[in-house]
Amino acid sequence: QSVLAQPPSTSGTPGQRVTISCSGTNSNIGSNHVFWYQQLPGTAPKLLIYKNNQRPSGVPDRFSGSKSGTSASLAINGLRSDDEADYYCAAWDDSLHWMFGGGTKLTVL
Amino acid sequence: EVQLVQSGPDVKKPGESLRISCKASTYSFTLYWINWVRQMPGKGLEWMGRIDPSDDSYTNYSPSFQGHVTISADKSISTAYLQWSSLKASDNAIYYCVRQSPLYGFDIWGQGTKVTVSS
Repeated sequence: QSVLAQPPSTSGTPGQRVTISCSGTNSNIGSNHVFWYQQLPGTAPKLLIYKNNQRPSGVPDRFSGSKSGTSASLAINGLRSDDEADYYCAAWDDSLHWMFGGGTKLTVL
Repeated sequence: EVQLVQSGPDVKKPGESLRISCKASTYSFTLYWINWVRQMPGKGLEWMGRIDPSDDSYTNYSPSFQGHVTISADKSISTAYLQWSSLKASDNAIYYCVRQSPLYGFDIWGQGTKVTVSS
């Protein structure tokens, strides 16, 4: 099973803060960096967070990441309608493969 | 602009072979691993495997895809490939090639190639 555990869906209203969790094991999240990707409908995924909590240039500071032990989370502050997308976490596993989370569909109500 | 440009959509019958491509531009192709990711209709992302273009004999695959697909690269034309020798209906999906940066992880994604397998 090459899937990190994420909630299948979450929702929020504009302006709210939402968090998305990502759970793994000692061989992936516990010992390697976590990355987050945003996939807008009908498009390729885009890098959102790298190395647990770093934002690439161009990603608003409303997005933040954190990691503790074998779990990580993505927080989105000041929710906007155009944040509606699927979000995926990913981490390298020490058994020599990448693992993705199952994805979380964010709905902005 | 750094980009990965993938080949267009393809329609095949079960049992047929297929090779899709991913051409890199505006960066040194041999410096970054290229990965392939599958997304089945309405489903999440699945890592399939990767290749080090500086030495295209080195690949590693997800156990879920080992033996069913082959990843290769031609560094002379900065292009990576994903191929099947015998497609199945369950191979219906969008396939993304992705550049892997040591710092940023999967930082550059191709636009995706839709593969349809139907009799």
